[in-house]
Amino acid sequence: AQSVTQLGSHVSVSEGALVLLRCNYSSSVPPYLFWYVQYPNQGLQLLLKYTSAATLVKGINGFEAEFKKSETSFHLTKPSAHMSDAAEYFCAVPLEGGADGLTFGKGTHLIIQP
Amino acid sequence: DAEITQSPRHKITETGRQVTLACHQTWNHNNMFWYRQDLGHGLRLIHYSYGVQDTNKGEVSDGYSVSRSNTEDLPLTLESAASSQTSVYFCASSAARTGELFFGEGSRLTVL
Repeated sequence: AQSVTQLGSHVSVSEGALVLLRCNYSSSVPPYLFWYVQYPNQGLQLLLKYTSAATLVKGINGFEAEFKKSETSFHLTKPSAHMSDAAEYFCAVPLEGGADGLTFGKGTHLIIQP
Repeated sequence: DAEITQSPRHKITETGRQVTLACHQTWNHNNMFWYRQDLGHGLRLIHYSYGVQDTNKGEVSDGYSVSRSNTEDLPLTLESAASSQTSVYFCASSAARTGELFFGEGSRLTVL
């Protein structure tokens, strides 16, 4: 079954530092890959989406992700962390066979140190 | 603006009681989904529907049921609530073949 693995349940960075959140997908190349963000006591909202049109995808709030087939990775980055980036981040792939719906990783909690 | 709303936002119930969580979307999406979120597990798919009268089981469907009688609503029913079903439940919807899910604000359920 298609799945994603997020390395690191918690990541802590200083304000202004580089943010790197890791996501690896299982071996078959998915038609889409997503990053979602969840702020405290809220639902998930789309950060960015990969659709094979471009390997580098830009999202909201200065985030971007690069699809690397050779590494089966779709890591999320932001050059300079802001306090408002503190949240839970989820990587996701379509359900088995590309069916509508998503399978999520276990999430990474991003902590921003002042 | 189109939206997806869940109710109740918070509920406390007792073991063995039947509970229904409501989900209503005004996106006119064919696809609707129910997930549960637990620490250490991320979001896990419970049930989903691709249209009226269509329902499918997800990864963690035991003890839950859904029915789809119209496009806008997908209520989630816990037939006999168990403490293991204490969780935050999220409803989501999507248009066909776009991939992107739109989420509700969540329903926090506590089973005592």
